[in-house]
Amino acid sequence: KNEVEQSPQNLTAQEGEFITINCSYSVGISALHWLQQHPGGGIVSLFMLSSGKKKHGRLIATINIQEKHSSLHITASHPRDSAVYICAVDTSGTYKYIFGTGTRLKVLA
Amino acid sequence: DTAVSQTPKYLVTQMGNDKSIKCEQNLGHDTMYWYKQDSKKFLKIMFSYNNKELIINETVPNRFSPKSPDKAHLNLHINSLELGDSAVYFCASSAVGEAFFGQGTRLTVV
Repeated sequence: KNEVEQSPQNLTAQEGEFITINCSYSVGISALHWLQQHPGGGIVSLFMLSSGKKKHGRLIATINIQEKHSSLHITASHPRDSAVYICAVDTSGTYKYIFGTGTRLKVLA
Repeated sequence: DTAVSQTPKYLVTQMGNDKSIKCEQNLGHDTMYWYKQDSKKFLKIMFSYNNKELIINETVPNRFSPKSPDKAHLNLHINSLELGDSAVYFCASSAVGEAFFGQGTRLTVV
């Protein structure tokens, strides 16, 4: 069992839909990242969270440290949001990131 | 300016060769990493350096050797390349509150 689990693994949505991607982890962490990887391959860090909630444009990320759970929300989804979204946890300052298996999102026009 | 830059972006080479991938960051971060992404897109850490010192060395064949000449650079040398080494290798750097990835190097061993 992976120490970082994401759900769903694959998600297809219609343009404009509200999207939620979940991440659960079983290890102690100092921070959690949400990453985006486009089909071209490059990885972009969207958020780094250690508590609460962050918002950037149409993207919202939340984390509940007690429940060891984080969610990434996309409001008013658009085809350009189509990518793989990866959750990664920083295990308590050990400089070791553990990655989830990713959620492949496809937004249809 | 690119925050974390890797070269080359693509690398095709024959089995048995020795190759290097270079990584540079201009962010002043203390910590740099090498990750391998397999065909299923799963990312796995290989090495981590903090201030030029090796912090993490996961179970990786000793044909892989990282070298950090200074805090801004972390290069990956691979000796005696094998078919199974074909993957995308990502360099990253981080500091408190942020992390940046390079564009990746797609290594194909033929």
